[in-house]
Amino acid sequence: KQEVTQIPAALSVPEGENLVLNCSFTDSAIYNLQWFRQDPGKGLTSLLLIQSSQREQTSGRLNASLDKSSGRSTLYIAASQPGDSATYLCAVRLTGGGNKLTFGTGTQLKVEL
Amino acid sequence: DGGITQSPKYLFRKEGQNVTLSCEQNLNHDAMYWYRQDPGQGLRLIYYSQIVNDFQKGDIAEGYSVSREKKESFPLTVTSAQKNPTAFYLCASSMGRAGGDTDTQYFGPGTRLTVL
Repeated sequence: KQEVTQIPAALSVPEGENLVLNCSFTDSAIYNLQWFRQDPGKGLTSLLLIQSSQREQTSGRLNASLDKSSGRSTLYIAASQPGDSATYLCAVRLTGGGNKLTFGTGTQLKVEL
Repeated sequence: DGGITQSPKYLFRKEGQNVTLSCEQNLNHDAMYWYRQDPGQGLRLIYYSQIVNDFQKGDIAEGYSVSREKKESFPLTVTSAQKNPTAFYLCASSMGRAGGDTDTQYFGPGTRLTVL
């Protein structure tokens, strides 16, 4: 059974710092991996999707990488801002699993002034 | 505006009662999903539907039921058989098979259910 782990569970950084969030998964037979953002009490917003054949994806200050063989993905946030404060979740889609996603437990990020 | 709506935002239930959570989308998506989120945990899939009049159990379907009579709607009923129903419930939709490699799920704002 696929298990997805995110470390750290919580992170607090000063504004302007570059940071890395980690996601690891146990079954490398993935179709793709997504990073989502969740604000308190809200739904999820998709940030980046990386296909299994890709190594990274970029959107603005966000860069996500994927190393399928080692079962790892990282989300890099450059020049963090207070508005980046949220919970970040990664989710993997297995091959042959339709669009069923397995989610990690999330990293709660706080960017302080 | 296109999107996914869930109602109500907050729901209180007495033990032993069934309750139904609403999920509606106007994105013309074929696939819809229900997830449960507990504090400090990731989302867990309850049920999903890839097309009208068809649905499959997810990882934690016991104590829940769904219907998919219309493309736009995918209501979730939390029955009295669900032992620990207090949680945050999220609905999502996606293009499904038509979305191909980059099919992305779009989420509603969620319903917080509390059992009194």
